[in-house]
Amino acid sequence: ETGVTQTPRHLVMGMTNKKSLKCEQHLGHNAMYWYKQSAKKPLELMFVYSLEERVENNSVPSRFSPECPNSSHLFLHLHTLQPEDSALYLCASSQGGGASYNSPLHFGNGTRLTVT
Amino acid sequence: GESVGLHLPTLSVQEGDNSIINCAYSNSASDYFIWYKQESGKGPQFIIDIRSNMDKRQGQRVTVLLNKTVKHLSLQIAATQPGDSAVYFCAENIIPGANNLFFGTGTRLTVIP
Repeated sequence: ETGVTQTPRHLVMGMTNKKSLKCEQHLGHNAMYWYKQSAKKPLELMFVYSLEERVENNSVPSRFSPECPNSSHLFLHLHTLQPEDSALYLCASSQGGGASYNSPLHFGNGTRLTVT
Repeated sequence: GESVGLHLPTLSVQEGDNSIINCAYSNSASDYFIWYKQESGKGPQFIIDIRSNMDKRQGQRVTVLLNKTVKHLSLQIAATQPGDSAVYFCAENIIPGANNLFFGTGTRLTVIP
């Protein structure tokens, strides 16, 4: 068990559907992240939330909409996706801190998304 | 250019041998580096990290070496076991003070029993 739980593990959706990915962390961290992992490409940072406020939106299309209701939960709302959005979506959390503080990200096992 | 330079090589080692996985980075301002292991069907798993004020850090069977002069990072795995077979990523924090990690494409390690 990773301490970061993502649901669902697999999702198939049509381009006109609306779905949401859910992430929950049980580590007491105060920062949460969404990453996209596509075949043969590096992990791409999508969104960062620190203390429930979005601090990074890495030029992600508006068809992806994150939500962080509290420090333990993170959602990614999906609508009108494209086939090229098919990928593994990974959630992570970390103990964020001040200007010179770094800590490792702890990842969930991801949601494998297929857009048809 | 690419800041974290794993170009998807593969590495095959015999069980019991030592493994060395290399990573090049281009941002001399990066202040924090992490190695992750990703097994099939799972998310990346933290292995070990190192800050830029260090050259070497050891964990259980793993050692990370940082050479800031040539912007090179390596992961050494001692006595490699079949369970070590996975894709290994290095990641760097290219914005000092923030916690935004950027990842390379990974190296696939295969351990031959």
